[in-house]
Amino acid sequence: GQNIDQPTEMTATEGAIVQINCTYQTSGFNGLFWYQQHAGEAPTFLSYNVLDGLEEKGRFSSFLSRSKGYSYLLLKELQMKDSASYLCAVRANSGGYQKVTFGIGTKLQVIP
Amino acid sequence: DGGITQSPKYLFRKEGQNVTLSCEQNLNHDAMYWYRQDPGQGLRLIYYSQIVNDFQKGDIAEGYSVSREKKESFPLTVTSAQKNPTAFYLCASSARLAGASFDTQYFGPGTRLTVL
Repeated sequence: GQNIDQPTEMTATEGAIVQINCTYQTSGFNGLFWYQQHAGEAPTFLSYNVLDGLEEKGRFSSFLSRSKGYSYLLLKELQMKDSASYLCAVRANSGGYQKVTFGIGTKLQVIP
Repeated sequence: DGGITQSPKYLFRKEGQNVTLSCEQNLNHDAMYWYRQDPGQGLRLIYYSQIVNDFQKGDIAEGYSVSREKKESFPLTVTSAQKNPTAFYLCASSARLAGASFDTQYFGPGTRLTVL
């Protein structure tokens, strides 16, 4: 099975930087996704990492260390609209199927 | 516009009644999925379909049924056997973007089902 851990809630200030961590334990690892989900809405894709290192995409960056089973999502220059839940999801080979398992999500509140 | 639609957004049913949630996509995606989301828990996979006329159970399939008669449609029936059906239900489809090495899941807007 898979086990994914991420903090339940975080608070950060507008204009600041915040790092949301995700640790996982799985066999057959084949990539890690980050999604953003505003309350009552559908998750939207942010990033994907399958190799170790940092992927940068505008204000958002995602890092992966496969040996440590660790990833983080870095949000820079925080804006009020960044208040949302951030879901870490791990993809792994499962009986010929690429199964994606989601963490519980980290609810980020951005305050003025 | 291309996308995934789920209807209705809010649905109320009495206990003991079956209810079917619709999911339609015009993205020409082969794979489709159903998840439920509960407070304090991650998205949990109910059923998935990788191709028309084929579907597989996910982690929590008990009390649910699906069909995939058309590529565009993947309806989910919540039966009276599902012991705790009140939840937020999300449908998704996936495809590999040009130049990408992975499939990306695209989610519909969700249906919030409340069983009274």
